[in-house]
Amino acid sequence: QVQLVQSGADIKKPGASVKVSCKASGYTFTGYYIHWVRQAPGQGLEWMGWIDPNSGDTNYAQNFQGRVTMTRDTSISTAYMELSRLRSDDTAVYYCARESWGVDYWGQGTLVTVSS
Amino acid sequence: QSALTQPASLSGSPGQSITISCTGTSSDVGAYNYVSWFQQHPGKAPKLMIYDVSNRPSGVSNRFSGSKSGNTASLTISGLQAEDEADYYCSSYTSSSTHVVFGGGTKLTVL
Repeated sequence: QVQLVQSGADIKKPGASVKVSCKASGYTFTGYYIHWVRQAPGQGLEWMGWIDPNSGDTNYAQNFQGRVTMTRDTSISTAYMELSRLRSDDTAVYYCARESWGVDYWGQGTLVTVSS
Repeated sequence: QSALTQPASLSGSPGQSITISCTGTSSDVGAYNYVSWFQQHPGKAPKLMIYDVSNRPSGVSNRFSGSKSGNTASLTISGLQAEDEADYYCSSYTSSSTHVVFGGGTKLTVL
């Protein structure tokens, strides 16, 4: 069965970077885009961007341009999202999700807390 | 402020039907048939309920249906059940630099 398993919760200081991983199983990793979406506490969903695991091509939301980097390692079917220059308002649950017919499978989410 | 506008909250009684609206612009909802709806229970990841305006993924109850008219998409839930109580989000592709936009979410309460 399709699964996306994300790395565990993390705490970072303002100005630092965080890298969240998303390990895929149960399907051909290179066949489907991976999206990253975040959700601040008590807030709605915010799209961050996507990566094509086959080519490595990326497409980032303007709000995150210059701060986000999405990569992948096809040998271990894992996608990564790195966010730099963290601020307190980056505190959120970060999700990876696969796009097939719609964004159909989601990871369990990774809580990133930014605090001094 | 979210790019797509949804009512903040809605409520209904078991067995009733409700409709959640999602209003965008001619650059997103009105331009593409790529509207999706997600259900999210507290502390859980979102779940895809509708994709491409009106298509249901395998395993999603046929009580859920989607439609679109102009710049507004809608999710209708018929025969409300207690388990339908959740937050619902719409999303759409957009021609803007954001590429994908979400609505602000609608909290559905089943009375």
